[in-house]
Amino acid sequence: DVKVTQSSRYLVKRTGEKVFLECVQDMDHENMFWYRQDPGLGLRLIYFSYDVKMKEKGDIPEGYSVSREKKERFSLILESASTNQTSMYLCASSRGGGSTNEKLFFGSGTQLSVL
Amino acid sequence: GENVEQHPSTLSVQEGDSAVIKCTYSDSASNYFPWYKQELGKGPQLIIDIRSNVGEKKDQRIAVTLNKTAKHFSLHITETQPEDSAVYFCAASIYTDKLIFGTGTRLQVFP
Repeated sequence: DVKVTQSSRYLVKRTGEKVFLECVQDMDHENMFWYRQDPGLGLRLIYFSYDVKMKEKGDIPEGYSVSREKKERFSLILESASTNQTSMYLCASSRGGGSTNEKLFFGSGTQLSVL
Repeated sequence: GENVEQHPSTLSVQEGDSAVIKCTYSDSASNYFPWYKQELGKGPQLIIDIRSNVGEKKDQRIAVTLNKTAKHFSLHITETQPEDSAVYFCAASIYTDKLIFGTGTRLQVFP
């Protein structure tokens, strides 16, 4: 089965720090996504990528950027972390490559706390 | 853009009873409606999905119904078991893998 691995389960950072969240998938998927999960707000899309070096903004991109230099790896970057970015971050991937409405495979999430 | 509303936010049932979670969507162009289950400490996993050309789909104890006219879809779990306890998310999309999720329902099944 597809495995989506997020580098850290828990992360504690200070306000103003630059933060990198890493995600790797092992099934040659074209599409990768970053969501943030907050109680009462569900999952909200931050950024997604349909191909290497390609990125598109989701619904809440402010304060975030992404990098996809290799097909299997999708990084989320918080340029200057703020307390309102304390959240659970979920990475996901799907097959893509012209097919649509495909199953998303999620990682286990990174709980980020910004102090 | 698309907006998905989900109700209730919490649901408690006795083991063996049925559970129903309802979602409404705003964009009539949406064509794909998956349901994800998130267990404690894990990422969400797809449990069932339905496409706009189908009104109902079943998989053992779970079923999903879609009413395109009313723009709502529902998840039905019959004969609930303690292992059904989790957070459930509905979602919608328009011919892409970019999903818009509902706010989630925490289901608790009591023995």
